[in-house]
Amino acid sequence: EAQVTQNPRYLITVTGKKLTVTCSQNMNHEYMSWYRQDPGLGLRQIYYSMNVEVTDKGDVPEGYKVSRKEKRNFPLILESPSPNQTSLYFCASSLNHPQQGDWYNEQFFGPGTRLTVL
Amino acid sequence: KNQVEQSPQSLIILEGKNCTLQCNYTVSPFSNLRWYKQDTGRGPVSLTIMTFSENTKSNGRYTATLDADTKQSSLHITASQLSDSASYICVVADRGSTLGRLYFGRGTQLTVWP
Repeated sequence: EAQVTQNPRYLITVTGKKLTVTCSQNMNHEYMSWYRQDPGLGLRQIYYSMNVEVTDKGDVPEGYKVSRKEKRNFPLILESPSPNQTSLYFCASSLNHPQQGDWYNEQFFGPGTRLTVL
Repeated sequence: KNQVEQSPQSLIILEGKNCTLQCNYTVSPFSNLRWYKQDTGRGPVSLTIMTFSENTKSNGRYTATLDADTKQSSLHITASQLSDSASYICVVADRGSTLGRLYFGRGTQLTVWP
């Protein structure tokens, strides 16, 4: 089944304790992206990756790191989490970068990771 | 500044009725516009993608329109069902140097009552 998976789905941690949220897709997609969603603010892009070893900042990259060593995986790293990073996080992937507006370039989202930083 | 504005912020309709959601954007140069449906606590699901050369696209009971001249889009839902209760998000991609950037609206929360 074609899908984007995220782990963990729920995480409660404390300030300053490094954590990694994994994201994996099995569709051989080139483009992957991380978003956070907060009430009243909608989805905001954190980082995105056009392909292996190619990443760039989105709207809210502060406090986050990413890596793209393999095409299928795009982990999100919080080196020193803070309470303002408490949020719902989504990973997404698509065949090509978003400027390609063909019908088959739709973006598939993972199920989300709810992170609470105390 | 590239922005995407959606209206209304929330909407309540009765089952079986039609409704239209609006999206205005200032993203330039424009590449494509997407509508997503997001159920509570779940990831968004793509409904339609339209480029500047397309002015309408349908997906079942969902029909999206695009006016690239006025930078407006709408999502029309026909014969609403209880399962249509969700947040509907408008997303715009630009055609500039930022290949990977997407601009998100804050969504319209639709509630369908029986």
